[in-house]
Amino acid sequence: SQQGEEDPQALSIQEGENATMNCSYKTSINNLQWYRQNSGRGLVHLILIRSNEREKHSGRLRVTLDTSKKSSSLLITASRAADTASYFCAAIYNFNKFYFGSGTKLNVKP
Amino acid sequence: KAGVTQTPRYLIKTRGQQVTLSCSPISGHRSVSWYQQTPGQGLQFLFEYFSETQRNKGNFPGRFSGRQFSNSRSEMNVSTLELGDSALYLCASSHLEFQETQYFGPGTRLLVL
Repeated sequence: SQQGEEDPQALSIQEGENATMNCSYKTSINNLQWYRQNSGRGLVHLILIRSNEREKHSGRLRVTLDTSKKSSSLLITASRAADTASYFCAAIYNFNKFYFGSGTKLNVKP
Repeated sequence: KAGVTQTPRYLIKTRGQQVTLSCSPISGHRSVSWYQQTPGQGLQFLFEYFSETQRNKGNFPGRFSGRQFSNSRSEMNVSTLELGDSALYLCASSHLEFQETQYFGPGTRLLVL
């Protein structure tokens, strides 16, 4: 399968702590994107990192990409209860293949 | 700008029936993609339309089809419904390029009985 794989599958932390989610993929990518999904709703785009980038920041989000290890990580700093959601990575190959990971369910306890 | 809208939001059908789902992209967006989300298979890409042409296609049977109109609105059709078609169907639009940021609608939840 060329789908991205994410770990952990579930993560439970206290408000204020940092949350780290990892994503692995299987072949060369054009870019990798992270999305958030609140229960049963549509996905919200968080950040896009291109294959020639190593790190990107957006507010409390930090994404890294290691193409040699075919992996990416999403760090959410100073988490809030409102960050409770499922997070998905999406690996884009050949400019026309879009594969989502299995997702990480994050629970931030107030 | 208004976001991506999908109708209907919820749908109940029985096996063997067919269903049509509708998606209106963000104004100015020309690429519309469809995804199926189930607990077992996760998010899977169905197809992408651009300027009324199917540009990319996932690995789904021919029962799943779609089309795009000149105003970029898109419809997805599933014929001869099976129990396993029960899922959240998500539509997403992007400005021009499929591989760039996609903006998702709220989804249509389909239950097949």
